[in-house]
Amino acid sequence: DGGITQSPKYLFRKEGQNVTLSCEQNLNHDAMYWYRQDPGQGLRLIYYSQIVNDFQKGDIAEGYSVSREKKESFPLTVTSAQKNPTAFYLCASSTQFNQPQHFGDGTRLSIL
Amino acid sequence: AQKVTQAQTEISVVEKEDVTLDCVYETRDTTYYLFWYKQPPSGELVFLIRRNSFDEQNEISGRYSWNFQKSTSSFNFTITASQVVDSAVYFCALMRTGANSKLTFGKGITLSVRP
Repeated sequence: DGGITQSPKYLFRKEGQNVTLSCEQNLNHDAMYWYRQDPGQGLRLIYYSQIVNDFQKGDIAEGYSVSREKKESFPLTVTSAQKNPTAFYLCASSTQFNQPQHFGDGTRLSIL
Repeated sequence: AQKVTQAQTEISVVEKEDVTLDCVYETRDTTYYLFWYKQPPSGELVFLIRRNSFDEQNEISGRYSWNFQKSTSSFNFTITASQVVDSAVYFCALMRTGANSKLTFGKGITLSVRP
């Protein structure tokens, strides 16, 4: 079935460590997104990409990095510069930028 | 600046009751899109509806209905005859039209439907 796969489901980070969250889609969507969700909060946009080899910062990009080398993949790296990384991370994709976004199951990141 | 307000944070109803989830938005744009998403306990967001600002017709899909009123900047969502499976967090979101537009989400409403 077509969809978005995020892995791992749970991730633990040590102090000073970079970690990478995986997001793969087989929907043939051009646009992909990363959101952060904190308890009792809406989703906040970290980075987005409208096309391969291009990506833009969202509202809270500091401490994060991304790449878009393939249409299907949009990994997110949480760097050691992100001082409060504990959150639920959601990846999404859409056919075009104004179209409804389809979401993965999310990755829950915690600090050890 | 764009803003979405979901003033209700938590709602609890008994199965078969009707429930309305409120959404009020702010934007200076004349054209925009409004969305509702459902987040069940499993975590993923499920798309429910997209409404173009030009289209003020109410929408009904099974037990779900949406009331869009541009005059009051509201896009409310009603679940008729609620079921336990409707228990989830519901997000309203706003997007400008045009290139590089982003979704602005409300903080969500946690709906609990008790048997």
